[in-house]
Amino acid sequence: RKEVEQDPGPFNVPEGATVAFNCTYSNSASQSFFWYRQDCRKEPKLLMSVYSSGNEDGRFTAQLNRASQYISLLIRDSKLSDSATYLCVVNKAGTTDSWGKLQFGAGTQVVVTP
Amino acid sequence: GAVVSQHPSWVICKSGTSVKIECRSLDFQATTMFWYRQFPKQSLMLMATSNEGSKATYEQGVEKDKFLINHASLTLSTLTVTSAHPEDSSFYICSARDGYRGHTDTQYFGPGTRLTVL
Repeated sequence: RKEVEQDPGPFNVPEGATVAFNCTYSNSASQSFFWYRQDCRKEPKLLMSVYSSGNEDGRFTAQLNRASQYISLLIRDSKLSDSATYLCVVNKAGTTDSWGKLQFGAGTQVVVTP
Repeated sequence: GAVVSQHPSWVICKSGTSVKIECRSLDFQATTMFWYRQFPKQSLMLMATSNEGSKATYEQGVEKDKFLINHASLTLSTLTVTSAHPEDSSFYICSARDGYRGHTDTQYFGPGTRLTVL
């Protein structure tokens, strides 16, 4: 089983609509969670950190469910510029050599259409 | 803030040659830098962790003699792909962790280097 699993999509979303997707992680010792955005042939860029109580940044809302070990991202009022691959990222934990390291999901592709 | 640069952005080389990639943190001191590789449609795979002034630690399956990493200062780490072969063609991305501010697990990524080995 992969440490971080994501639905690869693509999620085809009409402009202005809402889209949500999850990722699951296997390491219950993980404490830090992030969503990164990656455009085609570009580097990942931090979209937002995910906090235990859930957090919102403009049109983006992230939720964390520790009991079920999943993280969600919701995008409201989708813009064409939101088209990208969204990477779920979790810190590695539990071993002495895992400190500071991140584990990446393969990404969920979102395509916003006019 | 938290800008990471990477050079070159792309490189094409012949099989058997060596390629050096530089990663610089421009506005902060990076106590730790990470080197990743990403193949098409796949997730980023951590290759090695580079700490300033000490030897890099490599992930399982990554040959340390093939991928030489040097982290000579708090703002520069280099990855040298030695005797490159076509299977080394990939997108190499570095990231830097700023341990002095913000969330200590947050990594800031360079723009990546696309390596093509002919």
